[in-house]
Amino acid sequence: NAGVTQTPKFRVLKTGQSMTLLCAQDMNHEYMYWYRQDPGMGLRLIHYSVGEGTTAKGEVPDGYNVSRLKKQNFLLGLESAAPSQTSVYFCASSYPNGVGAHQPQHFGDGTRLSIL
Amino acid sequence: GIQVEQSPPDLILQEGANSTLRCNFSDSVNNLQWFHQNPWGQLINLFYIPSGTKQNGRLSATTVATERYSLLYISSSQTTDSGVYFCAGSTSGTYKYIFGTGTRLKVLA
Repeated sequence: NAGVTQTPKFRVLKTGQSMTLLCAQDMNHEYMYWYRQDPGMGLRLIHYSVGEGTTAKGEVPDGYNVSRLKKQNFLLGLESAAPSQTSVYFCASSYPNGVGAHQPQHFGDGTRLSIL
Repeated sequence: GIQVEQSPPDLILQEGANSTLRCNFSDSVNNLQWFHQNPWGQLINLFYIPSGTKQNGRLSATTVATERYSLLYISSSQTTDSGVYFCAGSTSGTYKYIFGTGTRLKVLA
């Protein structure tokens, strides 16, 4: 059972390039999330999805787009990468457990992205 | 949005010592989790604990929702407990988890 898988694990981009990070989960979870973690800081939510075909903005959505065409996949896109987007990106998933509540989040191992 | 404050920011322990980590929230949360980020960067969910007390081996957590704080207890610490501990919460009706900045724990052999 793989859980949450992120690809790629590492990537170096030049300013202005575009790329897509893939998150796949095999736990049939409804909710999926993209976070970024900068040195010495906690995680900040970029975008999230509460089901197939839905997406919503988190705390720091600017410069990123997402899509959830299939329940098991959540894609994070950078259209024109900037040095400020150098970070470690984490994907997570969970499923609802009653009104307004949900089960613990399961995280992928992260993608380390450097923008030169 | 809610603010999450964790204390202490850094903690150094001798192996075998006990510790208490604290997480304060600026507003009521109805989802609260504790995570451990190991030295390799992996995030492991320790507890989902919006209220009450839970225990898992040497770790336990207590959340007092009415007073907007949660505590994580580590007993008989081991070097493998080293890493960063995060708490995160979301308010009623939202799915936006807000993370604290973490407590960095180092356990010395």
